[in-house]
Amino acid sequence: DQQVKQNSPSLSVQEGRISILNCDYTNSMFDYFLWYKKYPAEGPTFLISISSIKDKNEDGRFTVFLNKSAKHLSLHIVPSQPGDSAVYFCAASRYNQGGKLIFGQGTELSVKP
Amino acid sequence: EAGVAQSPRYKIIEKRQSVAFWCNPISGHATLYWYQQILGQGPKLLIQFQNNGVVDDSQLPKDRFSAERLKGVDSTLKIQPAKLEDSAVYLCASSDRDPGFGEQFFGPGTRLTVL
Repeated sequence: DQQVKQNSPSLSVQEGRISILNCDYTNSMFDYFLWYKKYPAEGPTFLISISSIKDKNEDGRFTVFLNKSAKHLSLHIVPSQPGDSAVYFCAASRYNQGGKLIFGQGTELSVKP
Repeated sequence: EAGVAQSPRYKIIEKRQSVAFWCNPISGHATLYWYQQILGQGPKLLIQFQNNGVVDDSQLPKDRFSAERLKGVDSTLKIQPAKLEDSAVYLCASSDRDPGFGEQFFGPGTRLTVL
């Protein structure tokens, strides 16, 4: 039962353009969502998060949008840079489950110069 | 501030052998997590500790996997005996937040290959 899904295994974008990574979830009880970035041979690093009481959170070049009715969130990176090339995971959690993160399968972003 | 440390970074064993992984979380972080990441998938939680008590081990295959966190600091994850399907990256993460919200900080992982 895949509760968090990232349906695009890969995405290629030109430097300077917008990257949009998508994530869908099935459990309406999730109340906190996070995006992690992962480089090869390293552990995931936290990027940005959003609580279910919000629909948008911005941090520099990164913006996360949450559409609760559609059970969908997206990560926008503007402008994209070659250093953003990595695998991006979305994750969801429920407050009353102790912070346990349910991860999607990941999307590999490639930003070409 | 030092990050989450894990060792070894790589391990190759034969099936039916045993293996142990070690994790040292960020100083002061009360919550510690072990995740299994199979190639092409996202990390999956195996076990969560709050200090030295287990909060969630519902997805830990307890017939072969065990974990402990002595004195609420370092933790070890053991597999005995290993199966081919245990080949994965084992990630340790820690958090200083109320274990309901907040980011988790991940170590570099241990890549296990079972032959």
